[in-house]
Amino acid sequence: DTEVTQTPKHLVMGMTNKKSLKCEQHMGHRAMYWYKQKAKKPPELMFVYSYEKLSINESVPSRFSPECPNSSLLNLHLHALQPEDSALYLCASSHYTSYEQYFGPGTRLTVT
Amino acid sequence: RKEVEQDPGPFNVPEGATVAFNCTYSNSASQSFFWYRQDCRKEPKLLMSVYSSGNEDGRFTAQLNRASQYISLLIRDSKLSDSATYLCVVNIAGNQFYFGTGTSLTVIP
Repeated sequence: DTEVTQTPKHLVMGMTNKKSLKCEQHMGHRAMYWYKQKAKKPPELMFVYSYEKLSINESVPSRFSPECPNSSLLNLHLHALQPEDSALYLCASSHYTSYEQYFGPGTRLTVT
Repeated sequence: RKEVEQDPGPFNVPEGATVAFNCTYSNSASQSFFWYRQDCRKEPKLLMSVYSSGNEDGRFTAQLNRASQYISLLIRDSKLSDSATYLCVVNIAGNQFYFGTGTSLTVIP
């Protein structure tokens, strides 16, 4: 099973809203990632969790707040977003030895 | 200088053609290399890891040249279903990954 699930599939939120994106994997992977992808661009790394600890933050604005409650779950809390934050948000996980990343289907976020 | 450079294409090829994509990387300490395929409005899917000895999976062959710091993907006997964007990905160390810009492939009937 190489499945990573993400909810919701689509999200429309206003600039004053607070929402959360969720990601889950049951492959026993101990590294989990959040990426942001704009149209016709490659994914941009936002955060990496390694053994449930934040190991990489690519200078992401504080209006994005990641959380890793346990080894299977990854959340991304959103608050006071801007319209330019509209994008596809992808979660991925990888095994520590192979580094092969498996991506979830993404959440398509629109900020109005 | 970008960590990973990739020709964006687009590549438009007829069915049955052979097509090759290349990616160059700048960091000689890069450790792991991958090719991903991404369909329009979908997530990237792992196509293959790239090993020093080269590896093949059906119609797909991946090569790594550490001396020249590039990786390649060869697709033989192209099918319509191969139309997608192909992304090369380089792992530098730990969990730091760098993506190429992606190469768009359209296979024409």
